[in-house]
Amino acid sequence: QVHLQESGPGLVKPSETLSLTCTVSGYSISNGFYWGWIRQSPGKGLEWIGIIYHSGSTYYNPSLESRLTISVDTSKNQFSLKLRSVTAADTAVYYCTRESRLGIPSGYWGQGTLVTVSS
Amino acid sequence: AIQLTQSPSSLSASVGDRVTITCRASQGISSALVWYQQKPGKAPTILIYDASTLESGVPSRFSGSGYGTDFTLTISGLQPEDFATYYCQQFKSYPQMLTFGGGTKVEIK
Repeated sequence: QVHLQESGPGLVKPSETLSLTCTVSGYSISNGFYWGWIRQSPGKGLEWIGIIYHSGSTYYNPSLESRLTISVDTSKNQFSLKLRSVTAADTAVYYCTRESRLGIPSGYWGQGTLVTVSS
Repeated sequence: AIQLTQSPSSLSASVGDRVTITCRASQGISSALVWYQQKPGKAPTILIYDASTLESGVPSRFSGSGYGTDFTLTISGLQPEDFATYYCQQFKSYPQMLTFGGGTKVEIK
């Protein structure tokens, strides 16, 4: 069974870069599927951030695209998120996800990690 | 971009009630819709995919229907563990884009 675990700083200063890593176990990223990120601001709904294929192809939410980079490191079985020039509006729980075998885009989820943007 | 409008945003119901949540897409998405349940402090879990297919292990009191722009999630006989927030997600334009509805919080009356 695939397991996803987010990691990274819980506090980021405004204007800096938010960096998170998702470590995957139980499945090799290089074997396929799309791997993604979704966030949820406190008390709010879910927002799709973007996805990456094992080959490195990416698709981003247009509202975040100018500040966003998602990358994959198959040697470590990890993928990462970098969001530049953050503001308080980027404070959220960040989830990493994987597509399911049935093609459900967000079939598997990590437990989520809270990132607070504050000075 | 395809927008999803969920209604109501919240509702109060009693154990045993039949509950209906709707999700309307701004343009046709065929049956490319997923329903999730989220409990406080937890990641969402899949209830229904392809608009009407029950995810393995999900109780049969949950059902989904709809095609094109109008979709419904029904809980037939609300149970205490069903008090949660429910989200729809469209994947018609996947992998280029995914969008979620705003959520419906089901609370105890």
